[in-house]
Amino acid sequence: DAKTTQPTSMDCAEGRAANLPCNHSTISGNEYVYWYRQIHSQGPQYIIHGLKNNETNEMASLIITEDRKSSTLILPHATLRDTAVYYCIVRVGTDSWGKLQFGAGTQVVVTP
Amino acid sequence: NAGVMQNPRHLVRRRGQEARLRCSPMKGHSHVYWYRQLPEEGLKFMVYLQKENIIDESGMPKERFSAEFPKEGPSILRIQQVVRGDSAAYFCASSPPVSGANVLTFGAGSRLTVL
Repeated sequence: DAKTTQPTSMDCAEGRAANLPCNHSTISGNEYVYWYRQIHSQGPQYIIHGLKNNETNEMASLIITEDRKSSTLILPHATLRDTAVYYCIVRVGTDSWGKLQFGAGTQVVVTP
Repeated sequence: NAGVMQNPRHLVRRRGQEARLRCSPMKGHSHVYWYRQLPEEGLKFMVYLQKENIIDESGMPKERFSAEFPKEGPSILRIQQVVRGDSAAYFCASSPPVSGANVLTFGAGSRLTVL
């Protein structure tokens, strides 16, 4: 699996957009980008995933660069409840389902 | 529509005892995964099961740990002769039987404390 690099931490003001970067320069053509988050002491929560095209759902948007070497998770209007560790994971879609490699992630703190 | 149910939420055991953690997947999900999160560390994959089958146990410690997902009932992660280093949060996740998906629904976790 391609390795991902994320900033250790970032702050965001409540109500503003939070842009979380992720580098995955060794990603291969059949690997998807997944985002999960873990609010303190809770189980991880799936947010979004994509292969090549940008994706949007009710939680967030995922922007993947054309060369697919990096991506950005966008939380459009951050709330205090979005304070969590956010994990960017690259995984082959059809291989070893569910065997995700969680790195250290980005600790996002949303402040009033 | 209940999510992934794990119990107990908290379990305290003395060294040498056995710990049994149970996981009921979401309705309609036939794939179950167990992850472990040691204090101040990231989540680590342990095992992937389908009904009555262990598909991938590459993350399971070689000794004392076992997992099952019987035809009827919840999946069980069993830790025999627990040691202090087993103290951790154990998360179960499930997914539907759809190929190509790594979209997991996680439970709230079971926190094991070994005295």
